[in-house]
Amino acid sequence: IAGITQAPTSQILAAGRRMTLRCTQDMRHNAMYWYRQDLGLGLRLIHYSNTAGTTGKGEVPDGYSVSRANTDDFPLTLASAVPSQTSVYFCASRAGGGTGELFFGEGSRLTVL
Amino acid sequence: AQSVTQLGSHVSVSEGALVLLRCNYSSSVPPYLFWYVQYPNQGLQLLLKYTSAATLVKGINGFEAEFKKSETSFHLTKPSAHMSDAAEYFCAVSKNQAGTALIFGKGTTLSVSS
Repeated sequence: IAGITQAPTSQILAAGRRMTLRCTQDMRHNAMYWYRQDLGLGLRLIHYSNTAGTTGKGEVPDGYSVSRANTDDFPLTLASAVPSQTSVYFCASRAGGGTGELFFGEGSRLTVL
Repeated sequence: AQSVTQLGSHVSVSEGALVLLRCNYSSSVPPYLFWYVQYPNQGLQLLLKYTSAATLVKGINGFEAEFKKSETSFHLTKPSAHMSDAAEYFCAVSKNQAGTALIFGKGTTLSVSS
């Protein structure tokens, strides 16, 4: 079972460029999330989707957009990357119900120069 | 609103010593609480979770945590540290609601010396 697959694993990007981080899950979980991890700040929620066709904003949504066309895929797009978006990005999914744990991908390390 | 505070960004212990990582939460509703571990260059892995059943929760790798409502705490412990326990640990809280995101603390880095 692959779980959650993220791509790319690492990317260096020039400021102003557009970038899409891909996330695919094979667990048929309804809820999916994007977090960014920064030293000393822990994980902060960027966007989420409770089910296919719906999305919502998290704690730090500015500069990011998401879509959820189907259950399995939840891409995160940076329309015009800025250096402050240098971070490690984690995609996660959650099984139905409030007790469900989050399952995480391995992360995508993004550097914006 | 919900939040989590992890006391101590860095904890150092000797191999064989007690591990205690502190987590306090704030929640307007009965919370669900989680501890995750992250090894270098990897994603997060669930250690254990509290979901309103037993207040003492046992997890993987010999870790356990006790939910104390009166203290709004969910501290993580392990009786005897092992070198392989060196990692970053995150406490997280969520509501009892389908699809609710987890709110994470800022993390505690555990170092284990021989």
